[in-house]
Amino acid sequence: IVLTQSPATLSLSPGERATLSCRASQSVAANYLAWYQQTPGQAPRLLIYGASSRATGTPDRISGSGSGTDFTLTISRLEPGDFVVYYCQQYGNSISFGQGTRLEI
Amino acid sequence: EVQLLESGGALVQPGRSLRLSCAASGFTLSSQVMSWVRQAPGTGLEWVSAISRSGGDTYYADSVKGRFTIFRDNSKNTLLLQMNSLRVDDTAIYYCVCDLTRGLDAYDVWGQGTVVTVSS
Repeated sequence: IVLTQSPATLSLSPGERATLSCRASQSVAANYLAWYQQTPGQAPRLLIYGASSRATGTPDRISGSGSGTDFTLTISRLEPGDFVVYYCQQYGNSISFGQGTRLEI
Repeated sequence: EVQLLESGGALVQPGRSLRLSCAASGFTLSSQVMSWVRQAPGTGLEWVSAISRSGGDTYYADSVKGRFTIFRDNSKNTLLLQMNSLRVDDTAIYYCVCDLTRGLDAYDVWGQGTVVTVSS
């Protein structure tokens, strides 16, 4: 399954809301779709699994939604530490990652 | 504390071999599905390989099939990745990962990564 993330780069300001998209080339089985956040020089961190369930430590202002082939990560009230790279991943049919969305100030 | 610690990354010439290790602490590695994920410089993430809890089933990305072998040393609670016939496009940070909470493939535990550079 090929995952396409859009936009490649999203420019926003602190306090605003970010909406990141992840589109799959075919339906993701059981909505096994995860989102990760990666800070420069660090390993990725799991934010969302099962399309909409928050991982331990994920704040309430970060949420995931969607099903089938269209998924969204929403970050409300952007904070300075949110301006990094985000990846989606499907694990319903083998495993594949999107190419990432960079959130910049 | 749950932790994964990779080692073994190095600069190697194309065609040579390298073995990566991932030592687990805070949990028993053989009770989990374990995987390797890599990230080439400045690019995104690529799943590389996985091994079942029993160790009897292994899975590989097409890009490494036939060249890489994943296995475990249960006595040392360590995951390994034997990489043969290395190519320039194998250059990446290699992460050892697992889904400790759900036992699926939403990776909530990551190592810090080990750097493999393939260059002449």
